[in-house]
Amino acid sequence: DAGVTQSPTHLIKTRGQQVTLRCSPKSGHDTVSWYQQALGQGPQFIFQYYEEEERQRGNFPDRFSGHQFPNYSSELNVNALLLGDSALYLCASSLGGVGEAFFGQGTRLTVV
Amino acid sequence: GNSVTQMEGPVTLSEEAFLTINCTYTATGYPSLFWYVQYPGEGLQLLLKATKADDKGSNKGFEATYRKETTSFHLEKGSVQVSDSAVYFCALSDYGGSQGNLIFGKGTKLSVKP
Repeated sequence: DAGVTQSPTHLIKTRGQQVTLRCSPKSGHDTVSWYQQALGQGPQFIFQYYEEEERQRGNFPDRFSGHQFPNYSSELNVNALLLGDSALYLCASSLGGVGEAFFGQGTRLTVV
Repeated sequence: GNSVTQMEGPVTLSEEAFLTINCTYTATGYPSLFWYVQYPGEGLQLLLKATKADDKGSNKGFEATYRKETTSFHLEKGSVQVSDSAVYFCALSDYGGSQGNLIFGKGTKLSVKP
């Protein structure tokens, strides 16, 4: 079991650009949540996807959007990147949104 | 709104020392409480959890008790090892016990010296 896998591992983008991050959930899981972890801070909830729909959303602007595919994998898109978007982006999967959530190792995004 | 406050680190201990990392929370309703651990270069792993008042979560020698009267969920371990060096996050979920929308504290970095 590969667990939760995220790609890419690291990414450098220029302010104003757009970025797409990808997540494959743990086998058997159908729910994916995304978090932003700034340096020295705890993760902050961005949104959760279940059955290809956004089920919950945290306090993030519309520049942050997502998608879930029929195979339960997910993408996080960020438009019009700001320097403040530099962070570790974590994906977590679970079954039905309950039970233990398993985290991937994250994508380190640097905006310059 | 809901929030989690945990003691600031870093915390440096000698091997076999007693560990306490304080965590208090603010929440409406009856949240579930969690401790996650992040080892260097790795993702977050669930360490333990408690879903109702007076529950005690335990795993790998770590324990934490859900105290509703003091809104606390302090992490303890009787004898730490070098391999326990990591960042520890206290978190709560108020979505019916789901771990899908966790609210995390800022994390406490623990370093254990041999």
